[in-house]
Amino acid sequence: DAGVIQSPRHEVTEMGQEVTLRCKPISGHNSLFWYRQTMMRGLELLIYFNNNVPIDDSGMPEDRFSAKMPNASFSTLKIQPSEPRDSAVYFCASSPGTSNTGELFFGEGSRLTVL
Amino acid sequence: AQSVTQLGSHVSVSEGALVLLRCNYSSSVPPYLFWYVQYPNQGLQLLLKYTTGATLVKGINGFEAEFKKSETSFHLTKPSAHMSDAAEYFCAVTLLAGKSTFGDGTTLTVKP
Repeated sequence: DAGVIQSPRHEVTEMGQEVTLRCKPISGHNSLFWYRQTMMRGLELLIYFNNNVPIDDSGMPEDRFSAKMPNASFSTLKIQPSEPRDSAVYFCASSPGTSNTGELFFGEGSRLTVL
Repeated sequence: AQSVTQLGSHVSVSEGALVLLRCNYSSSVPPYLFWYVQYPNQGLQLLLKYTTGATLVKGINGFEAEFKKSETSFHLTKPSAHMSDAAEYFCAVTLLAGKSTFGDGTTLTVKP
């Protein structure tokens, strides 16, 4: 079975540019999570969806960040405009759903560098 | 509210020695507890989990952890470290099936 697929794996961009990160969750999983990992702040939950509906976006840093899940097999995290402090590894994770024990399946991450 | 504290951001052991990574949690209700491992340039992958039942849980690669409610702990152990165990380890707590809270991580170094 394919795992969680993220793209791009690496992105280098200049301050002010728009960045779009993509995620394909594991088929059949009902919950999708976006995390950000940095040395300073560790793993931070940005937002999570259940059945394509955003449930908790309290971790989204500010209005420059937005996330969508138009269908069960695709999600995007967009940063516009990007800033150097957004440099981090962004992980997408999926989970079987509300009846499960909360185990997360992570993608390999998208490493973002904003110059 | 829930929180996780991992004691020791770096742990170093010799190959063949006991591995002990400490995790304490706080939770207002019985939690689900997890250990994940992260190898360089990879995502996190599940090592083991505690949900209900037996308090000693076994995971992959010879790791195990014991849920101790009275101590609010879920320490990770392995009797004999291998070079391939060098990685970062994260303890996480989840209430019901909602969002997980992760500890800050412990980097395990294994010396030959």
